[in-house]
Amino acid sequence: DGGITQSPKYLFRKEGQNVTLSCEQNLNHDAMYWYRQDPGQGLRLIYYSQIVNDFQKGDIAEGYSVSREKKESFPLTVTSAQKNPTAFYLCASSIAAPSSYEQYFGPGTRLTVT
Amino acid sequence: AQKVTQAQTEISVVEKEDVTLDCVYETRDTTYYLFWYKQPPSGELVFLIRRNSFDEQNEISGRYSWNFQKSTSSFNFTITASQVVDSAVYFCALSEIGQGAQKLVFGQGTRLTINP
Repeated sequence: DGGITQSPKYLFRKEGQNVTLSCEQNLNHDAMYWYRQDPGQGLRLIYYSQIVNDFQKGDIAEGYSVSREKKESFPLTVTSAQKNPTAFYLCASSIAAPSSYEQYFGPGTRLTVT
Repeated sequence: AQKVTQAQTEISVVEKEDVTLDCVYETRDTTYYLFWYKQPPSGELVFLIRRNSFDEQNEISGRYSWNFQKSTSSFNFTITASQVVDSAVYFCALSEIGQGAQKLVFGQGTRLTINP
């Protein structure tokens, strides 16, 4: 079955540690995205990538980093510089051009930093 | 700047009632896309519908229908004869039309609870 895999579903870290969230897709989509969701709020875009080896900052990129070395993979690193990292993180992918196609979402990773 | 507002934070109805979720958007673009997504308790967003700014026809899919009114910048979603399985958070989103990756702007979401 085609889809997006995010692992793990729940992640716990101590403050000051970097943590990397995994996102893999087998939909052959060029574009991939990372969103953050806080309780009672909508999704906010962290980073997105249109093609391998290229990515752009979204609305809330500070304290995060990404890489896109393979078409299928778009890992997100939450660094110690992120002031409030506890949140639900969703990865998505879509056909890149034209930008009229829906995004497909993974099941999400709930990160708790204490 | 683009903005999507879902003024209803939470809605609770009894099963079989009809319910409408409101979505109002702001954009300076003349061409754009609007979306509705469903987020069940599992957390994964599920795509429901896409509508471009050139097409103001209402759409019906089973118990779901959408009313797009460009004059009032609204894209409302109605569930007819609601069922318990419709309980979820529903998001309205907006994107500009262009090449490459698609930047979605989401509303805050409406939590819909259908009571048996």
